[in-house]
Amino acid sequence: GAGVSQSPSNKVTEKGKDVELRCDPISGHTALYWYRQRLGQGLEFLIYFQGNSAPDKSGLPSDRFSAERTGESVSTLTIQRTQQEDSAVYLCASSESSGDYEQYFGPGTRLTVT
Amino acid sequence: QKEVEQDPGPLSVPEGAIVSLNCTYSNSAFQYFMWYRQYSRKGPELLMYTYSSGNKEDGRFTAQVDKSSKYISLFIRDSQPSDSATYLCAMSPSNDYKLSFGAGTTVTVRA
Repeated sequence: GAGVSQSPSNKVTEKGKDVELRCDPISGHTALYWYRQRLGQGLEFLIYFQGNSAPDKSGLPSDRFSAERTGESVSTLTIQRTQQEDSAVYLCASSESSGDYEQYFGPGTRLTVT
Repeated sequence: QKEVEQDPGPLSVPEGAIVSLNCTYSNSAFQYFMWYRQYSRKGPELLMYTYSSGNKEDGRFTAQVDKSSKYISLFIRDSQPSDSATYLCAMSPSNDYKLSFGAGTTVTVRA
């Protein structure tokens, strides 16, 4: 079946602009995660959605970052007033249920802030 | 100090060699240990997982966990050029979805 998809695959934006990244999880997966991968660093957890429960936003680095998910479908990650330190690959993953260690990752969106 | 430490390499080995990768960690609450493989410009894919201490073997891959030393390893036997990728260790406490990742080790297997 189809895996996790993300769009766009690449995004170049000017400092100060807002960007919106999209994630389509695997159908039937109730849990969805966003991670950030900076060059030479491990993946950083950003946010977690599980069904209709309140999301865990504890990993969001600042109030410029926000994310939404409608039910158990598409999620969008929005970064407002982008800064150069926001340049990274943003990865989305989904899993069948909460507490499921087996997360399936999308290919990521490579964000470059100039 | 990072919660999970992983030597970034790069590591270059000839085809057929054994690849040895490892991570150390500081959080004694970690119970689930995973290895992900990430090809260039792709998302990570789960390669192996181990719960608590011990060894696990899957084909050419062996994962080892030593909780007393807070040290995990991944061994790749009879390495192939197709094994060339970045290998990420990840771990979490039981029943917790937040994975803590190492920085990843880039491996090149030369034909």
